[in-house]
Amino acid sequence: GQQVMQIPQYQHVQEGEDFTTYCNSSTTLSNIQWYKQRPGGHPVFLIQLVKSGEVKKQKRLTFQFGEAKKNSSLHITATQTTDVGTYFCAAPSNTGKLIFGQGTTLQVKP
Amino acid sequence: NAGVTQTPKFRILKIGQSMTLQCTQDMNHNYMYWYRQDPGMGLKLIYYSVGAGITDKGEVPNGYNVSRSTTEDFPLRLELAAPSQTSVYFCASRDTGEGYNEQFFGPGTRLTVL
Repeated sequence: GQQVMQIPQYQHVQEGEDFTTYCNSSTTLSNIQWYKQRPGGHPVFLIQLVKSGEVKKQKRLTFQFGEAKKNSSLHITATQTTDVGTYFCAAPSNTGKLIFGQGTTLQVKP
Repeated sequence: NAGVTQTPKFRILKIGQSMTLQCTQDMNHNYMYWYRQDPGMGLKLIYYSVGAGITDKGEVPNGYNVSRSTTEDFPLRLELAAPSQTSVYFCASRDTGEGYNEQFFGPGTRLTVL
């Protein structure tokens, strides 16, 4: 079945360092979504990318969708302690389900 | 709008007991989902529904049942609870329309089976 692979599983950074998580699919995706889950919280939608090569920014967060629409990345510039959490990418299947990656858990040392 | 609400927030069950996790959304979304998330792991889909009266299995349906009699409610039933069902359960909903819309998640139910 359709799978979405996400790496790395964990990342520990010093506050102020950059962070990137990558999401890969073996099949072409119609779009990709990113969610953030704070420790003890629930996933919250961040953004959706639809177009090939699309780049979107939200303050220090930059989201990219690959040209072939098979991969995506989330980059955080100058991490802060408020960035701590697990970041999930997710892609829709053709049956109405959302296929989630395994998530990347970010720890930020102050 | 309250969004997606779940009850209870926490529950401890003994092996073999049953319970129903409640989920309600007030956004008139047709699609609703149940996920489980084990500690340090990702989200696994248990069941989902594309509208009232229609449900379908996800990747880990064994030990669970669902019903969808109204657009608003999507309860998840655990029969004969087992320790392997210790997890955090999230309900989610999304709107239909052009494209694939974001999922809204409830706050979760933290279930421990002893």
